[in-house]
Amino acid sequence: KAGVTQTPRYLIKTRGQQVTLSCSPISGHRSVSWYQQTPGQGLQFLFEYFSETQRNKGNFPGRFSGRQFSNSRSEMNVSTLELGDSALYLCASSLVGGGSYEQYFGPGTRLTVT
Amino acid sequence: GIQVEQSPPDLILQEGANSTLRCNFSDSVNNLQWFHQNPWGQLINLFYIPSGTKQNGRLSATTVATERYSLLYISSSQTTDSGVYFCAGYNQGGKLIFGQGTELSVKP
Repeated sequence: KAGVTQTPRYLIKTRGQQVTLSCSPISGHRSVSWYQQTPGQGLQFLFEYFSETQRNKGNFPGRFSGRQFSNSRSEMNVSTLELGDSALYLCASSLVGGGSYEQYFGPGTRLTVT
Repeated sequence: GIQVEQSPPDLILQEGANSTLRCNFSDSVNNLQWFHQNPWGQLINLFYIPSGTKQNGRLSATTVATERYSLLYISSSQTTDSGVYFCAGYNQGGKLIFGQGTELSVKP
């Protein structure tokens, strides 16, 4: 089975722009979660999607949003980028999520905001 | 309070040595997972271990859920074991909460 894939792998954006990141889960997995990793804050949960609905949300501003499609693929959008949004963004998939199943992570998208 | 706490924060070993990494977790966290983050940033699953002991080659893990801790053992360490090791557990809302990681450096 193919693992979790994320595109693009690297991205450079300017302050004020917006960005969309994509995540394709492992085949058969219906839950997709997103995480932000920075040197200062570590790994922080952004949100989880299951069956096209946001099931959980972390403590991030409304500039961070996401969605999930009927094939379980997910996208994450960050609007009005700030320098502090520079980070590694990781997505993970699991069978049904909700805290009962192992999560598998993709390779990440490294976003740099200048 | 801190929900997932890892120790030590840094560890330097000589190749061939053994090591134990510890993860303490609060009452609100369960279903522990251990990960190894490779130099390119990807989190590699090591163990999903809500309780008990599991082994995979030179690595093993034990979680004692009643005492709220988990241990990751690395035996006969190799330079390729270098990197950051994370433990993470689910809180009651179903969010995966990560510790701050243990940065392991194995010297040849």
